Amino acid sequence: DQQVKQNSPSLSVQEGRISILNCDYTNSMFDYFLWYKKYPAEGPTFLISISSIKDKNEDGRFTVFLNKSAKHLSLHIVPSQPGDSAVYFCAASAQGGTSYGKLTFGQGTILTVHP
Amino acid sequence: GAVVSQHPSRVICKSGTSVKIECRSLDFQATTMFWYRQFPKQSLMLMATSNEGSKATYEQGVEKDKFLINHASLTLSTLTVTSAHPEDSSFYICSARDARGASTDTQYFGPGTRLTVL
Repeated sequence: DQQVKQNSPSLSVQEGRISILNCDYTNSMFDYFLWYKKYPAEGPTFLISISSIKDKNEDGRFTVFLNKSAKHLSLHIVPSQPGDSAVYFCAASAQGGTSYGKLTFGQGTILTVHP
Repeated sequence: GAVVSQHPSRVICKSGTSVKIECRSLDFQATTMFWYRQFPKQSLMLMATSNEGSKATYEQGVEKDKFLINHASLTLSTLTVTSAHPEDSSFYICSARDARGASTDTQYFGPGTRLTVL
């Protein structure tokens, strides 16, 4: 049962353009969402997060949008840079109950930014 | 801030032996640490939640007697793979939750440990 889904396994973007990575979730108990960037054979690096009480959070070139009614979130990177090329994971957690703190990850999207 | 280290980064062992992996939070205290496993080209799968001073909570399907977790201090958790078999070969990653900030659900990850069982 894949509760967090990233339906695009890969995305290719030209340098300077916008990269949009998408993520869908099914568990309505999720109320905190995070994006991580990962290189091969390394641990994920935290990028940006958003609480369910917000619909947008921005940090430099990274913006995360949350649409609760659609159970959908997206990460926008603008402008994209070749150094952004990596695997991007969407993750979600539920603050209440025994699931507190546990992250459920999507399958990841490989982003390639071409010079 | 929020740096997590893992040791070793890579280990090769013989089938039947045990391997210990350490996870340390370097600049913050982590009452909770998490252990994940990642197979090639797949997502991170949570194995267990490690709480300082108490028993770990294992996810369904994870053998607690095979994957021993000890969280003896606020900065150290260890994962011991006992009687390792080739199917245990994987990339093991730990994370720690920094409880200092407002976003207590943000986890910071270690660099991972590549385990190869021959």
